Amino acid sequence: DAKTTQPNSMESNEEEPVHLPCNHSTISGTDYIHWYRQLPSQGPEYVIHGLTSNVNNRMASLAIAEDRKSSTLILHRATLRDAAVYYCILRDVSSNTGKLIFGQGTTLQVKP
Amino acid sequence: KAGVTQTPRYLIKTRGQQVTLSCSPISGHRSVSWYQQTPGQGLQFLFEYFSETQRNKGNFPGRFSGRQFSNSRSEMNVSTLELGDSALYLCASSFQGDFAEAFFGQGTRLTVV
Repeated sequence: DAKTTQPNSMESNEEEPVHLPCNHSTISGTDYIHWYRQLPSQGPEYVIHGLTSNVNNRMASLAIAEDRKSSTLILHRATLRDAAVYYCILRDVSSNTGKLIFGQGTTLQVKP
Repeated sequence: KAGVTQTPRYLIKTRGQQVTLSCSPISGHRSVSWYQQTPGQGLQFLFEYFSETQRNKGNFPGRFSGRQFSNSRSEMNVSTLELGDSALYLCASSFQGDFAEAFFGQGTRLTVV
């Protein structure tokens, strides 16, 4: 399984944008980039995923480097409810499995 | 639409006992995966079931087993419990399982004493 590298922790101020980086230099052509987050005392929740192009949804945006070796999850206006552990995960679309391989993730603190 | 339901939410067991945890996926979802979360190891994949068949398995001893029923509900069983099995056990369901969005339950907190 291809590996991802994320900073252990980041801080942000409320209502400011947050850019959460992820490095995946060994990504293969069939790997999708997924982001999940885990709020305190809850199971992980899906945030966004993409393959090559930048993606937007109601929660966040995903910016993918042209060589796909890195990506950035963008929260446009952080709120206190966005304080969570954010996981960047690669999923091989050809592997026919629902398996998710979680790294250590980035713990995001949001300050009021 | 009801979410993923895991029961029980909390459980205390003694070393050597066995335990069964249950997971009811979202209606229509055929893939159910199980994960163990501990402070030291983080979130680790246990196994995945799809249409009553185990499709993938993580690196856990044979004491950890599971099954899936025809209605997609899944159970996992841990036999001969050890103190190190104390963890939050999470299950996730998805429609197809390949790269679809996974929905997680709240988890079962197992404490082994």
